[in-house]
Amino acid sequence: GAGVSQTPSNKVTEKGKYVELRCDPISGHTALYWYRQSLGQGPEFLIYFQGTGAADDSGLPNDRFFAVRPEGSVSTLKIQRTERGDSAVYLCASSAGGTEYGELFFGEGSRLTVL
Amino acid sequence: AQKITQTQPGMFVQEKEAVTLDCTYDTSDPSYGLFWYKQPSSGEMIFLIYQGSYDQQNATEGRYSLNFQKARKSANLVISASQLGDSAMYFCAMSLGYTGRRALTFGSGTRLQVQP
Repeated sequence: GAGVSQTPSNKVTEKGKYVELRCDPISGHTALYWYRQSLGQGPEFLIYFQGTGAADDSGLPNDRFFAVRPEGSVSTLKIQRTERGDSAVYLCASSAGGTEYGELFFGEGSRLTVL
Repeated sequence: AQKITQTQPGMFVQEKEAVTLDCTYDTSDPSYGLFWYKQPSSGEMIFLIYQGSYDQQNATEGRYSLNFQKARKSANLVISASQLGDSAMYFCAMSLGYTGRRALTFGSGTRLQVQP
């Protein structure tokens, strides 16, 4: 499709396990963002990629969270030693712009449940 | 640090009427952008409208307009002629203008329900 694609749409895991969430941005978009949305809250910024590099990772909550974008398109958010507090919807967005204003296009998110 | 406040957890409006969703913001940065997003039950965030801090005129996009009052630090969304399909969560968000920072700070949202 032409939009931002996220997989899996739902992931249930046990406390302590490792998970990977994938984002396939709109073709040609150089900027990619990860957000986390807890129940009843607005999305919270995690990390921003411009091309292959993480231009801003100030929103990552701790060193259990890591994200990569090795070829400048698909990105993977990796969470080690998951905790129940990591349960949330993880949203990915992409835009054609970089630091200037550019409309963000969001995917439908990956819902993570940690038991 | 920047902050977005949405004080209306839920709003009801009759179909075809106008509704205003409130948003106030706080930042010491003179350069910023204000956004409104709609989130239907599918979960996808849909961009509605953008206002830059230096824009002289209020932004409009079809039935959406942004009532920007800089001195009061408010950026309310006005939806005219509400439709049943407007029922969703609405989020106000802000970005800061300095180079390298494109992260959006979101408010907690307002759930709008349009009644027939």
